[in-house]
Amino acid sequence: DVKVTQSSRYLVKRTGEKVFLECVQDMDHENMFWYRQDPGLGLRLIYFSYDVKMKEKGDIPEGYSVSREKKERFSLILESASTNQTSMYLCASMSPGSSYNEQFFGPGTRLTVL
Amino acid sequence: GENVEQHPSTLSVQEGDSAVIKCTYSDSASNYFPWYKQELGKRPQLIIDIRSNVGEKKDQRIAVTLNKTAKHFSLHITETQPEDSAVYFCAPSSNSGYALNFGKGTSLLVTP
Repeated sequence: DVKVTQSSRYLVKRTGEKVFLECVQDMDHENMFWYRQDPGLGLRLIYFSYDVKMKEKGDIPEGYSVSREKKERFSLILESASTNQTSMYLCASMSPGSSYNEQFFGPGTRLTVL
Repeated sequence: GENVEQHPSTLSVQEGDSAVIKCTYSDSASNYFPWYKQELGKRPQLIIDIRSNVGEKKDQRIAVTLNKTAKHFSLHITETQPEDSAVYFCAPSSNSGYALNFGKGTSLLVTP
């Protein structure tokens, strides 16, 4: 069974703080993704990575950066958190070489920026 | 980029009825068409998908149909049950190895 874990389920930070959200998968997947989910807006892609040290901007990368130093770990960084970054953040992973193209999601981190 | 629209945004049906959710997309290069289900407080999970060389796929009570000419695909749920209550997302993609383009979701409520 694929397991995708995220470092926190709930997080409360203050405006201007640097925030790290971590995601770890145990299935040796090449591709990893960060989404944010807001009511009525669905899942919007922030960044994705298809290999170690590789990253690609998604639809809403402003205010975020990412790091992928190891294949199993993909970190999302909010350099200076703002209230409009209060959201649910979902990490996902997949293997592009598999028969199926399913993305496996983590449980999510609900971030509140005060 | 891909423009994805789902209709309806909310759907309420009685247990045992059928439910249909439609997803339209703009990128004619899209070749992979999945549907994800997200129950309240849980993570999204793939429930069914279809590729562009297939017109329909069934898995027990759920099915997906694809009309590539019209650029839309639909999720069909028959004999709905309360546990089908969830938000459903379509996520067409033109490169299945990379990012999916999620729709805004359809909230389905099945009442007993």
